[in-house]
Amino acid sequence: DAKTTQPPSMDCAEGRAANLPCNHSTISGNEYVYWYRQIHSQGPQYIIHGLKNNETNEMASLIITEDRKSSTLILPHATLRDTAVYYCIVRGPYTGTASKLTFGTGTRLQVTL
Amino acid sequence: GAVVSQHPSRVICKSGTSVKIECRSLDFQATTMFWYRQFPKQSLMLMATSNEGSKATYEQGVEKDKFLINHASLTLSTLTVTSAHPEDSSFYICSARRGDSSQEQYFGPGTRLTVT
Repeated sequence: DAKTTQPPSMDCAEGRAANLPCNHSTISGNEYVYWYRQIHSQGPQYIIHGLKNNETNEMASLIITEDRKSSTLILPHATLRDTAVYYCIVRGPYTGTASKLTFGTGTRLQVTL
Repeated sequence: GAVVSQHPSRVICKSGTSVKIECRSLDFQATTMFWYRQFPKQSLMLMATSNEGSKATYEQGVEKDKFLINHASLTLSTLTVTSAHPEDSSFYICSARRGDSSQEQYFGPGTRLTVT
């Protein structure tokens, strides 16, 4: 079973920030939060990941709450090309089964003009 | 970012035939590769995990004799769908995990299999 809960869909106006929430209330202390997205009929694309600190890269920012039970992916200036399904995944640090990427249903983000 | 390729991108085959899908990590060595399947409007489902030089580990409910996985080198894994049937029609996606300390995982573009 996926260890995360995400809203099934969200809309965002182009140029505005898209804030995608994720709940992972059962996350363990050594598990990471990963975000991937999948544009229609393509393979998933890595976006960002974090353990406890907030992270930022050229694509997005990841805000993790202090208790680590939830996080938010922020796309600062959404464009039409950001329309995709966004997956929040909890992953263990080891090379065994705990480190498998298990996909839930994700959030379908629709960016509109 | 790291690049993972798949070949072919699309394949149509007749029921009862076998189809091989290749997955390559182009600019890094992948100690572990994963195969996923995705049906329309559904999420990705992990089928199996393979480590270079050893047998693949299949997820519950996935028939290992039907979905043959070979991970012969650190840059190549293949999935063979044997005796394909229309219900095997799906989007097959491979993923490769870097063998270095980052352990990051990247996905291929997917292969659309249609069995007629």
